[in-house]
Amino acid sequence: GESVGLHLPTLSVQEGDNSIINCAYSNSASDYFIWYKQESGKGPQFIIDIRSNMDKRQGQRVTVLLNKTVKHLSLQIAATQPGDSAVYFCAEGWQGGGTSYGKLTFGQGTILTVHP
Amino acid sequence: GAVVSQHPSRVICKSGTSVKIECRSLDFQATTMFWYRQFPKQSLMLMATSNEGSKATYEQGVEKDKFLINHASLTLSTLTVTSAHPEDSSFYICSARGTGLRGLHFGNGTRLTVT
Repeated sequence: GESVGLHLPTLSVQEGDNSIINCAYSNSASDYFIWYKQESGKGPQFIIDIRSNMDKRQGQRVTVLLNKTVKHLSLQIAATQPGDSAVYFCAEGWQGGGTSYGKLTFGQGTILTVHP
Repeated sequence: GAVVSQHPSRVICKSGTSVKIECRSLDFQATTMFWYRQFPKQSLMLMATSNEGSKATYEQGVEKDKFLINHASLTLSTLTVTSAHPEDSSFYICSARGTGLRGLHFGNGTRLTVT
């Protein structure tokens, strides 16, 4: 079946650096993408989302870029802090109605480690 | 903000027994909830979609008779792992759908260990 995958399983950066986490998706029907942060032993925490009619969206210290041509999604974290250390997942979904609404397919995940 | 509560957060059970996990939406109604399973160092895999007042929809490869889902009210879905085996040991996470896709909220997961 179609799936969402990540290029890099681990990313190690110094505090203050910018981090970029990448994700490839394959389901062309997906029209909604979300980045989640997961700390050890906890559920996913929403970071930022983007709809397929956009190519960029910015939040506080985070930016999500969507390239539908190559089916690629990225999360940029500015001035990365030790508290940003976690596993980051991209997820894709479809905003259509019915039972698929809210059903997400998660990517592989990237472990981000921020060194002080 | 919207909160989804899972209970218990951790459970250890003996092989062959059944375990029930609860997922509650605390301040909103959720006609649909989703159950995911996550093995160590892996991603979340959707197991089933739980619909209030109707049967759950299971993903391919998930045994519906082993993972019983009951969504009896607009704020509660339960997942029962029946006749648990060590290979069922995993992190089980639910999400509840409120209004709009921004209305998706995840619980903090349940760590199940089957001995």
